[in-house]
Amino acid sequence: AQSVTQPDIHITVSEGASLELRCNYSYGATPYLFWYVQSPGQGLQLLLKYFSGDTLVQGIKGFEAEFKRSQSSFNLRKPSVHWSDAAEYFCAHRGSTLGRLYFGRGTQLTVWP
Amino acid sequence: GAVVSQHPSWVICKSGTSVKIECRSLDFQATTMFWYRQFPKQSLMLMATSNEGSKATYEQGVEKDKFLINHASLTLSTLTVTSAHPEDSSFYICSAPANTGTQYFGPGTRLL
Repeated sequence: AQSVTQPDIHITVSEGASLELRCNYSYGATPYLFWYVQSPGQGLQLLLKYFSGDTLVQGIKGFEAEFKRSQSSFNLRKPSVHWSDAAEYFCAHRGSTLGRLYFGRGTQLTVWP
Repeated sequence: GAVVSQHPSWVICKSGTSVKIECRSLDFQATTMFWYRQFPKQSLMLMATSNEGSKATYEQGVEKDKFLINHASLTLSTLTVTSAHPEDSSFYICSAPANTGTQYFGPGTRLL
């Protein structure tokens, strides 16, 4: 079965500190992986995606993620967090059916000033 | 990136009435759209896949007669919650995949 695991339900960091949000997937073939961010009461905004090629992908707002096939991981990173980054972050992968996404449960990020 | 809109952004309805939510892809065509439901502090749950020109595909446990889906054109899908009751209160989000393979999400509709 295809699934996405985000082990951390809630992470708190200080503004300016580095950030890493974990994501693991289970899927036999090459996965199509995404990170989305959701602010309260809003839809989802795409941060970045990985389909193929360079395993380190750059996204918007200074985020990056690295695909590691050996670890079945696609962790999201940011070197210096801003207070405006506080939100819910979802990792997802696209399954065999075109377009259908499998989501992790999300990680809530709190940023202390 | 591509834009997906939803209307209305929020709606309050009386028990027993129906509510229609529209999802539009504004700058691309989508033969498939997806409808998700999200409860507070939880992830997105796929309800159904909307297919232009054919019947929607519902996930297990989702009542077809309760949540009516119509994919009227390549840019419009609608979700109608029939005979709404308090347990239907939720945040409903639609999405559409662009030709690039990326799925774009609408801003969501809060149903109370």
